[in-house]
This record gives sequence, structure tokens and C-alpha cells, in this order.
Amino acid sequence: GNSVTQMEGPVTLSEEAFLTINCTYTATGYPSLFWYVQYPGEGLQLLLKATKADDKGSNKGFEATYRKETTSFHLEKGSVQVSDSAVYFCALIIQGAQKLVFGQGTRLTINP
Amino acid sequence: KAGVTQTPRYLIKTRGQQVTLSCSPISGHRSVSWYQQTPGQGLQFLFEYFSETQRNKGNFPGRFSGRQFSNSRSEMNVSTLELGDSALYLCASSLGAQLYNEQFFGPGTRLTVL
Repeated sequence: GNSVTQMEGPVTLSEEAFLTINCTYTATGYPSLFWYVQYPGEGLQLLLKATKADDKGSNKGFEATYRKETTSFHLEKGSVQVSDSAVYFCALIIQGAQKLVFGQGTRLTINP
Repeated sequence: KAGVTQTPRYLIKTRGQQVTLSCSPISGHRSVSWYQQTPGQGLQFLFEYFSETQRNKGNFPGRFSGRQFSNSRSEMNVSTLELGDSALYLCASSLGAQLYNEQFFGPGTRLTVL
């Protein structure tokens, strides 16, 4: 089956620290990969995406590269801010399907 | 362009009751998907509708049902509510016609079952 595994949280960092949230996947087909972010009391916002191997998605200083050989899509940011505090979800969708498969989420807290 | 809207935002029901949640997709989007979010199970896919037809279904009991109208608005219904149905229910819309479409999420409806 299809599944996504994220590093366990919560993750607490100081402002301006480097962030990595690990994500690996298992897929029967050829997936597209996503990172979504959920701020308190809100729905999910698409942060970035990659649709084929070696693609790099980027947005708001966050980056993730689609690594087919390691089935990974790790999220990185060079210098985090307090406003980045949220829950981050890695997800995949199989081509031809309309069903997102999510990881369990990683709660990130950034302290000033 | 207006985003995905969900009503109501909050609901409190008691066990055994039924509930109907509503989702209005982004204008022009024909696919609507529903997800349940709970602390224990995370985000789980319920079902997806495209042009008034259910195209995909997750592993939920028959108490969970949905429908889509000709204007692409969608409703989901949960009958005979159980305590475990307490969750944030998220709706997402997409164009739906291609092999892959980006999904845009609404703010969710938080259902509490007492």
C-alpha cells in the first residue's frame, strides 16, 4: 500500500536555527509529493510540492527534494522564524487518484 | 477568487444524533474530497466526489456518507454519532479533471460528540 512516515515530534528550535523534518514514503505507483502546513485553528495550506524525481519544491524559504532512490522528501529551512511554528504534514498522491495520503504530522515550535 | 468554505465551523452533538456538514469549493473546481483529522489517527481520507459522482472512498463505516450537487457544493452526513466521531472534518477542492490536481483545503468543521 501507500504510506508516509515523518520524523516524530514535537520539534523545538530557537529562532534562526536550521530545520530538517524527515519524510519517507512507500508507494505502489509513481507519486507526487507535498508538504502541507497547519497553523493553529486553521485548515491545511500547501507549502510546496514536487511531481517527479529530483524536482525541488520551494516556498517561503522552505525546500524539499524528491529523492526516488531513497524514497524521501525531507523538508529543510535554513533559518526558522517564530512565525514558522505550526504542524507540518508530508503527503503523497498517486497519479490518477484524488486521495492524499498523509504522514502523522510534526509539530514545530520556534522560540525567540 | 474565494477559497474553500465550510459550514458550520463548530458543532456540538450528542451520541446517536446525525449531522450534516457543508463544503463550497473554489469556483470552477469540480472535485471535492473530505478528510477526518483526529489526534490519534491523524488525517484520513473519507471520500471524493467529481461531477456529482463518488469516485473514491476511504475505509469508513456506512454511517459516513456524502453527496455533491450540480454546482459542485458537497455535503457529508454522519448518522448515529459516536464519541469517536469527534474530529476536525476538512474539505478540499481541486479541478479534478486531470491525472493530478492540487488540492486546496478549507478551514474545517470541528465536530464534538458528547
